[in-house]
Amino acid sequence: EVQLVESGGGLVQPGGSLRLSCVASKFSFSSYWMSWVRQAPGKGLEWVINIRQDGRETHCVDSVKGRFTISRDNADNSLYLQMTSLRVEDTALYYCVRDQNWYFDLWGRGTLVTVSS
Amino acid sequence: IQLTQSPSFLSASVGDTVTITCRASQGINNNLAWYQQKPGEAPSLLISAASTLQSGVPSRFSGSGSGTEFSLTISSLQPEDSATYYCQRLNGYPRPFGPGTKVNIK
Repeated sequence: EVQLVESGGGLVQPGGSLRLSCVASKFSFSSYWMSWVRQAPGKGLEWVINIRQDGRETHCVDSVKGRFTISRDNADNSLYLQMTSLRVEDTALYYCVRDQNWYFDLWGRGTLVTVSS
Repeated sequence: IQLTQSPSFLSASVGDTVTITCRASQGINNNLAWYQQKPGEAPSLLISAASTLQSGVPSRFSGSGSGTEFSLTISSLQPEDSATYYCQRLNGYPRPFGPGTKVNIK
C-alpha cells in the first residue's frame, strides 16, 4: 500500500528538542518534494516546511525559521523533522505529506507533539 | 498571502447544494487546492488547480475561480460529506491553508 508513516512524537518541555521521522512505502520517494503540515488540537491546518527531492532546497513558514530543520534519506525512503527551541504553540499533530507543488496528494496519519512543562 | 474562507460553518440537508468561498489577499492565479478532513482522519485532496477534480472524488464536488476568489460547490449533499473543508495556496511560498469551513448535515 502506498503510505506515509510518521513517528517520534511525544511530550517535551518548552525549549526542548524532538526529531520526527516519516517512512514512505510503495512509491518512488526520491522523486517527490515532501512537506510537513501541522494541526494544533481543534484548530486548522498549517504548512510548516518542505524539501526538494535531492534535499538541497528547503522552504518554511516564518514561525519555525532557525528552529526546525527538514532532511531526508532517499536510500531509506525517510523524511525527518528536527525541532529545537520548542514552544507551547508548536503543540500539534504533525503530518508527513507528499508535495506535488500543485497539491498535497498523500498524507500520513500524523504524530502528536506536545510541548508542556 | 493569506486565505479567508466563508462561511466558517454551514448546516444543510441531504440533497442541498452548498458553496464555500475562499479569498486570497492577493492574486494567486489558479494555484489553489481544496481538501476534505473528517474527524480523526488526515485531510484528503478533492480539487487541484482551482477546478481539477482528483481521481476518485465524486463528481458532485466542483471548484471554480481564479485570482483572488475561489469556490467549492457540493451538489446534492450526502451524509458522508459532513467534514471540514480547507483551501490551500500552492505553487509558491508560503503555502497557507484557509481557516476551514465545517459542513454539518441536518
